[in-house]
Amino acid sequence: AQKVTQAQTEISVVEKEDVTLDCVYETRDTTYYLFWYKQPPSGELVFLIRRNSFDEQNEISGRYSWNFQKSTSSFNFTITASQVVDSAVYFCALRTGANSKLTFGKGITLSVRP
Amino acid sequence: DTGVSQDPRHKITKRGQNVTFRCDPISEHNRLYWYRQTLGQGPEFLTYFQNEAQLEKSRLLSDRFSAERPKGSFSTLEIQRTEQGDSAMYLCASSLAQSTDVAGELFFGEGSRLTVL
Repeated sequence: AQKVTQAQTEISVVEKEDVTLDCVYETRDTTYYLFWYKQPPSGELVFLIRRNSFDEQNEISGRYSWNFQKSTSSFNFTITASQVVDSAVYFCALRTGANSKLTFGKGITLSVRP
Repeated sequence: DTGVSQDPRHKITKRGQNVTFRCDPISEHNRLYWYRQTLGQGPEFLTYFQNEAQLEKSRLLSDRFSAERPKGSFSTLEIQRTEQGDSAMYLCASSLAQSTDVAGELFFGEGSRLTVL
């Protein structure tokens, strides 16, 4: 069975602070895919990034960066110099190689105050 | 607009009534998914189609729920004899799954919010 744990439920920061969102996953499959989605108040889930289990290279994209560590089964997401528009619910999700569905965590509500 | 569209965006109904939601995926996408999201939770998988074939159904999908994708394009999700516990956001997503890559990212619609009184 697959499981995604997002232990943080709500995070509040002041604009321009850096913030890291944690994600821990469980799977017995050796091939799997990890995702981060953002859900703004409008409700639409917006795809941010996908990583494969065989690619532990971390990535930076503008103000976003991701830290994937198989040894700790973690896939954390950092926003640098946060902005008010980053306020949203962020979901980490897991998909195994033989399965088509995504298993989501419960989400982290990020509030960025001016 | 070339994204995933869902209709209606909001539906309020009385317990016992039937409701139907429609999803139009991104046109070239062959896979279509339905998820349910309740307040404070992440989306939960309900079912998915590859073209017109329904390939997997979650145990969450009771016999009151039925989904179809008759021509491999749009899909409908019908809930019969609605219950208050059915109140949730119903999300549709689509993806382009190729034989060499099973993990195409999912593109979600804005959801259909159901309130059962």
